[in-house]
Amino acid sequence: QVQLQESGPGLVKPSQTLSLTCTVSGGSISSGGYYWSWIRQHPGKGLEWIGYIYYSGSTYYNPSLKSRVTISVDTSKNQFSLKLSSVTAADTAVYYCAREVRSLNWFDPWGQGTLVTVSS
Amino acid sequence: QTVVTQEPSLTVSPGGTVTLTCASSTGAVTSGYYPNWFQQKPGQAPRALIYSTSNKHSWTPARFSGSLLGGKAALTLSGVQPEDEAEYYCLLYYGGARVFGGGTKLTVL
Repeated sequence: QVQLQESGPGLVKPSQTLSLTCTVSGGSISSGGYYWSWIRQHPGKGLEWIGYIYYSGSTYYNPSLKSRVTISVDTSKNQFSLKLSSVTAADTAVYYCAREVRSLNWFDPWGQGTLVTVSS
Repeated sequence: QTVVTQEPSLTVSPGGTVTLTCASSTGAVTSGYYPNWFQQKPGQAPRALIYSTSNKHSWTPARFSGSLLGGKAALTLSGVQPEDEAEYYCLLYYGGARVFGGGTKLTVL
């Protein structure tokens, strides 16, 4: 079955760019029919949807993060990535990647999540 | 900014029934918002339970059901088990955007 795994630095300095990659295994990111999404969770808080990308490269971002977010896809590596610029301590969170089934509007599977701390 | 509101916390006795709700700041929640429900236990990633209002995943226990109730999306647990103690999140679709609710901490006591 399809599995997702986040990877990237666990510590980022303020004002720098947070970069994470989600590797998809057990299925092709190019197969269509899915949005590849990023979601985050601040420590002890709720979930926040960040945005998604389709394999073709089309994206949709959370309006509150849109000015700082870029999601890209590398179909050759079966990966998609998140970049969040100008980070502050408020961006400290567990970042999840997840697959969204377009036609059925559901999210599964999810990656295990990776904690990114913004600190100098 | 769109806000999705859930009860912060609820308590239920084992074997009991509880309903969690999900409201939108834009008005009544309809099937067009494709309500999703997720369960999250400490230290784990969220797990999908319900999609498009009332559809269950193959792994969703029968005691979980989704519906629309009084202008809100609702998740009902019937015959609650101790292992149902968790945080529950709803998700609503607003065109291209998706918005999570703040979550409901369900205590089984």
